[in-house]
Amino acid sequence: DAKTTQPPSMDCAEGRAANLPCNHSTISGNEYVYWYRQIHSQGPQYIIHGLKNNETNEMASLIITEDRKSSTLILPHATLRDTAVYYCIVRPRNTGTASKLTFGTGTRLQVTL
Amino acid sequence: DADVTQTPRNRITKTGKRIMLECSQTKGHDRMYWYRQDPGLGLQLIYYSFDVKDINKGEISDGYSVSRQAQAKFSLSLESAIPNQTALYFCATSEGGTGGETQYFGPGTRLLVL
Repeated sequence: DAKTTQPPSMDCAEGRAANLPCNHSTISGNEYVYWYRQIHSQGPQYIIHGLKNNETNEMASLIITEDRKSSTLILPHATLRDTAVYYCIVRPRNTGTASKLTFGTGTRLQVTL
Repeated sequence: DADVTQTPRNRITKTGKRIMLECSQTKGHDRMYWYRQDPGLGLQLIYYSFDVKDINKGEISDGYSVSRQAQAKFSLSLESAIPNQTALYFCATSEGGTGGETQYFGPGTRLLVL
């Protein structure tokens, strides 16, 4: 799986948009970008994934650059409950074999009043 | 109700004891996984199963065993617990195949081995 690089921490004011960057410069053509988050000691939660087009769901938006070497997860109106560690993961969509998710160190997002 | 449930949520045991952690899912997924997470670290895959008759070792399977009793149930056993197996344990499921590999996690079991 391609390696990803994320800033270790970010702050965001409640109600503002949180923009979390991820660098994946070695991504290959069949690899998707997945985002998960983990609220303290809870199970990781799937947020969104995409291949090359921008994606939006009820939780967030995913913006992938045209060269696919980086992406940004956008939480449009961050709340205190969005405080968590956010993981950017790059992997093929259907591996057919071991589907281990490689969670790196992620970005610790702190949403403040 | 939660789609992926784990029991117990917390467990304290002694070195040498055999314990079982259970996972159930109502998502109808074929694939199930067991991970462990140590404080401040990422998740490590212990075992995974792509269907009822399929069991595969992950990266840290030594000292663990699993049983896939049904599509919806996947149990993890520690044959003889040791203190360095103290960790958070997560079960996950995914649809697999053309349905994709998004994994859905349970709430976790916090295990302390004394």
